[in-house]
Amino acid sequence: DSGVTQTPKHLITATGQRVTLRCSPRSGDLSVYWYQQSLDQGLQFLIQYYNGEERAKGNILERFSAQQFPDLHSELNLSSLELGDSALYFCASSGQLGGSNTGELFFGEGSRLTVL
Amino acid sequence: SQQGEEDPQALSIQEGENATMNCSYKTSINNLQWYRQNSGRGLVHLILIRSNEREKHSGRLRVTLDTSKKSSSLLITASRAADTASYFCATRRGGGADGLTFGKGTHLIIQP
Repeated sequence: DSGVTQTPKHLITATGQRVTLRCSPRSGDLSVYWYQQSLDQGLQFLIQYYNGEERAKGNILERFSAQQFPDLHSELNLSSLELGDSALYFCASSGQLGGSNTGELFFGEGSRLTVL
Repeated sequence: SQQGEEDPQALSIQEGENATMNCSYKTSINNLQWYRQNSGRGLVHLILIRSNEREKHSGRLRVTLDTSKKSSSLLITASRAADTASYFCATRRGGGADGLTFGKGTHLIIQP
């Protein structure tokens, strides 16, 4: 158990819809990362938040947005969904406050999104 | 875009044999990490090697890093059926603020 919790585990929705994926990081971790995993694209880094602020952006579409709240949980919002958005979405965390950041990421079990 | 590329894409060996996977990357790195992913599950960190290190061991795992060739290898000795998974290398560029960039992985199958 990595200590990172993602909900929901599975989500089926229709094209054009909007969904929100939620992530609770490991206790004490300040950074949250979102990744998308699909068969054709592999693992793609989407975005990173650190202590509530956006820290780095990867291949995140304009239809997608994220935020990190004061309690450090994060949400990834996906809108105007397309068939190609079907994928596993992972949240990872790192960066213990007051501890050494070894650089490793702790991944949740993912949210599997299916767009029909 | 992918920073690391694993090779081979798939590997099938007998239980007890050693498994070697390679990773090549394109830009300078701060460190390189290897992760394992069981089918449909989250990734699990295996080992991290810093850019100033050449070799590192952890249990049955041995990782090497050649920064001049921009490559790394992961060796799993005395493989077990439970080692069946996908293995990914990941690199973090200097500064560490831009997340880890993963390759597409090597799918390892251990035949009992």
